[in-house]
Amino acid sequence: EFVLTQSPGTLSLSPGERATLSCRASQSVRINSLAWYQQKRGQAPRLLIFGASSRATGIPDRFSGSGSGTDFTLTISRLEPEDFAVYYCQQYGTGVTFGQGTRLEIK
Amino acid sequence: EVQLLESGGGLVQPGGSLRLSCAASGFTFNNYGMSWVRQAPGKGPEWIAGISGSGGNTYYGDSMGGRFTISRDNSKDTLYLQVRSLRADDTAVYYCAKETQAVGGTRDYWGQGTLVTVSS
Repeated sequence: EFVLTQSPGTLSLSPGERATLSCRASQSVRINSLAWYQQKRGQAPRLLIFGASSRATGIPDRFSGSGSGTDFTLTISRLEPEDFAVYYCQQYGTGVTFGQGTRLEIK
Repeated sequence: EVQLLESGGGLVQPGGSLRLSCAASGFTFNNYGMSWVRQAPGKGPEWIAGISGSGGNTYYGDSMGGRFTISRDNSKDTLYLQVRSLRADDTAVYYCAKETQAVGGTRDYWGQGTLVTVSS
């Protein structure tokens, strides 16, 4: 079973700060097939990053993804008020698996 | 503008069945794979199934247990999900989503979701 573990569970930061979210896979993610989604309360997930580091259409460049193998990171360089949400990683190299999420909240 | 509109959710008794629909617009429907993803309250998303643009190939999540059937009618630009033998742990918001490229990859557009509640 492919498991994605996200950390921390909750991250408390202030607007303007840098956010670093982690996603660790139980086995190597094939061809860096790792995506990140943002979900705000009451809304569907929104694709941010695919292929571990490529931004989806319309995503601001303050969002960046990195990593390979089993360790991946989503970085938000300077938090805007609209960035406070829940973030999920998803692998699609071996079936499809989502992580349990990291809640980014205003400190 | 891409729009996906799910319908068919509601309160269902355990053991019952349900067919969810997703009406698509704003893109050439038969050119894209589609998926159903569900999200239980307070949990992460869970991929249920995907289907190719032609409908000729279907794919299911490992833990779905054979109770789900995905299908599509390209003449109506509509995606379907048939769910049988519903259980309490099937309670979730069910989303349809457009695949970015290949089925089982990423999803670039999602509907607003339809809530399925399984309870007696």
